Amino acid sequence: RKEVEQDPGPFNVPEGATVAFNCTYSNSASQSFFWYRQDCRKEPKLLMSVYSSGNEDGRFTAQLNRASQYISLLIRDSKLSDSATYLCVVSANSGGYQKVTFGTGTKLQVIP
Amino acid sequence: EPEVTQTPSHQVTQMGQEVILRCVPISNHLYFYWYRQILGQKVEFLVSFYNNEISEKSEIFDDQFSVERPDGSNFTLKIRSTKLEDSAMYFCASRVGQAANTEAFFGQGTRLTVV
Repeated sequence: RKEVEQDPGPFNVPEGATVAFNCTYSNSASQSFFWYRQDCRKEPKLLMSVYSSGNEDGRFTAQLNRASQYISLLIRDSKLSDSATYLCVVSANSGGYQKVTFGTGTKLQVIP
Repeated sequence: EPEVTQTPSHQVTQMGQEVILRCVPISNHLYFYWYRQILGQKVEFLVSFYNNEISEKSEIFDDQFSVERPDGSNFTLKIRSTKLEDSAMYFCASRVGQAANTEAFFGQGTRLTVV
C-alpha cells in the first residue's frame, strides 16, 4: 500500500459544482495532515491544514478520519480559478524527525 | 512576505556534467528539504537537512547527490554526474520548526533538463 494515496483524476466539474477529494495514508502514527495546491509548473502552496475536528476556510472544508486513515477536501461553488492539482501531504515522526510525504495529487479542472 | 528563493529557474546541462542547484531558505527557518517532481508525476522527497547534517534521505538520493549549507544562508543540491532521468523540477523547502503541524514553504523550483 502506498504511503499516501490519491485518485489522480482528472476531475472535470462545471463552475458552481461541489467536488470532493479523498486521500488515504498507510502510517497510523501520522500526526499532521495538509492539503497543498499546485498550479501547473509551479511550486506547491499550502491550502489548509487538516485538524482532527475538521476545519473550514470559506468554500473549502477539510476532514480527517483517523480510524479509516483518510482525509478529505470538499470544495463548494467551484470557481475556474480552483483548477489545479491538489496534493495531500502527511507528516509522521520518523526516527525523531518529521517525514513529510506527498500524495500523487488530484487534478481538478473547473469548466465554464 | 518572506519566501524561499531558488536559482537558477531553469538549467540545461549535458549528461555526465555536474550541476549545483541553489536555494535560500527563509531566514529564521531551521529545517531544509529538497524534493523533485518529474514532469507529470508526483512530488518526491529527496533529503532533509538540519543542524548542518542530513536527517533523512530517500532511496533516490544516492551517491550522485549531495547537499551543503556552505555559508549559513544558501542550501545547495549537487548532482555529480547528471543522467537523463535526473531531468525534473527540483523544489527546495524550509520549515521554521520540526513540529508536526509546521507548514513547509516551497521555492519556485529549478527546472533541470539533462540532454
